[in-house]
Amino acid sequence: NAGVTQTPKFQVLKTGQSMTLQCAQDMNHNSMYWYRQDPGMGLRLIYYSASEGTTDKGEVPNGYNVSRLNKREFSLRLESAAPSQTSVYFCASSNDPSARAYNEQFFGPGTRLTVL
Amino acid sequence: AQSVAQPEDQVNVAEGNPLTVKCTYSVSGNPYLFWYVQYPNRGLQFLLKYITGDNLVKGSYGFEAEFNKSQTSFHLKKPSALVSDSALYFCAVRDLRDAGNMLTFGGGTRLMVKP
Repeated sequence: NAGVTQTPKFQVLKTGQSMTLQCAQDMNHNSMYWYRQDPGMGLRLIYYSASEGTTDKGEVPNGYNVSRLNKREFSLRLESAAPSQTSVYFCASSNDPSARAYNEQFFGPGTRLTVL
Repeated sequence: AQSVAQPEDQVNVAEGNPLTVKCTYSVSGNPYLFWYVQYPNRGLQFLLKYITGDNLVKGSYGFEAEFNKSQTSFHLKKPSALVSDSALYFCAVRDLRDAGNMLTFGGGTRLMVKP
């Protein structure tokens, strides 16, 4: 099993450019999450999806959109990138029926994004 | 609102010595508490969790954590540190009182184990 995979691993954008970060899991998990990690701030939740076809805002959703394409895939889109979105982005999944953090989350390897 | 604090940015310990990584939390209801570890250039890995029951929770790689409700703490411990334990450690909390709450992570503590 690959677990949680993310693409790309690295990306450099110019301000105003758009891009989509891809995430897929092969563990048949219901819940999927997108976090950003910034130094000294831990992980902050951007969006989450408790099941296929549903998405909800997390702590820092502004400037992002998400799509739960099917049970396996959960993508994060930056429509117009800003330098403040320079961060490391992690996708995670869990076997939680309602994304309510009863069970452990499995994390992907991350995408390091730089916005110039 | 729920929050979690890791008061130490870095903890240094000699190999073979016991280690403690501190975590305190703030919730209005009962907490779910987690510890995760992050090795360089990797995603987070689950270590252990407290949901209910025994206050001493045992997890992966010989780590354990003690839930202390009166002190609102959930410190991570290991009796004998290994150099390979060097990593970034995150505590996380969820307040069961608020159904809308997600997991909140602390800022992380870097553990350095020296030979």
